[in-house]
Amino acid sequence: QKEVEQDPGPLSVPEGAIVSLNCTYSNSAFQYFMWYRQYSRKGPELLMYTYSSGNKEDGRFTAQVDKSSKYISLFIRDSQPSDSATYLCACFPIYNQGGKLIFGQGTELSVKP
Amino acid sequence: SAVISQKPSRDICQRGTSLTIQCQVDSQVTMMFWYRQQPGQSLTLIATANQGSEATYESGFVIDKFPISRPNLTFSTLTVSNMSPEDSSIYLCSVEGLAGDYEQYFGPGTRLTVT
Repeated sequence: QKEVEQDPGPLSVPEGAIVSLNCTYSNSAFQYFMWYRQYSRKGPELLMYTYSSGNKEDGRFTAQVDKSSKYISLFIRDSQPSDSATYLCACFPIYNQGGKLIFGQGTELSVKP
Repeated sequence: SAVISQKPSRDICQRGTSLTIQCQVDSQVTMMFWYRQQPGQSLTLIATANQGSEATYESGFVIDKFPISRPNLTFSTLTVSNMSPEDSSIYLCSVEGLAGDYEQYFGPGTRLTVT
């Protein structure tokens, strides 16, 4: 079982739709959670990061973490064609001896005009 | 966030040869990371490079195959040695952010094709 699971999609939605992107994880030590956006032939761009459980909002984007169910989500409101990209979730553990960022497989999103 | 550049942006190489990828950051950073992203796959950490010490490699990656240099706080190189078609991938460098929340910022990547 992978430490971070993410539905690879592809996910296709009409412009203006609310998009929900999700990941599940298995490691209870994960404390920091990040969402990256990766356009084709580009490096990943950090969208948002959160610590522990709760919500964080930034413009049209909302990141949500539910540690009790080991579930993280990214919501995109009023989706635009420019949001078409691959979205990767990533988790970072807190150990005494440090840790590393673990990525999900990425979900490919297409927003149709 | 830091501005990160990589050279080359892409290359096509013959099997058995080596390629050195450069990563330049516009500010001084303690830790730099090298990742591989194979086609249709997620990112896999190759190694962590701290200035002034040997790089720390993840399971499945060895120094003979992926030697790394970190001569100063703004620069690092990753060499892919004795390449085979299985090394065809995107190679990315990243650095930690300043917020101290373990967030990382990535360069644009180097797209390598081995024939």
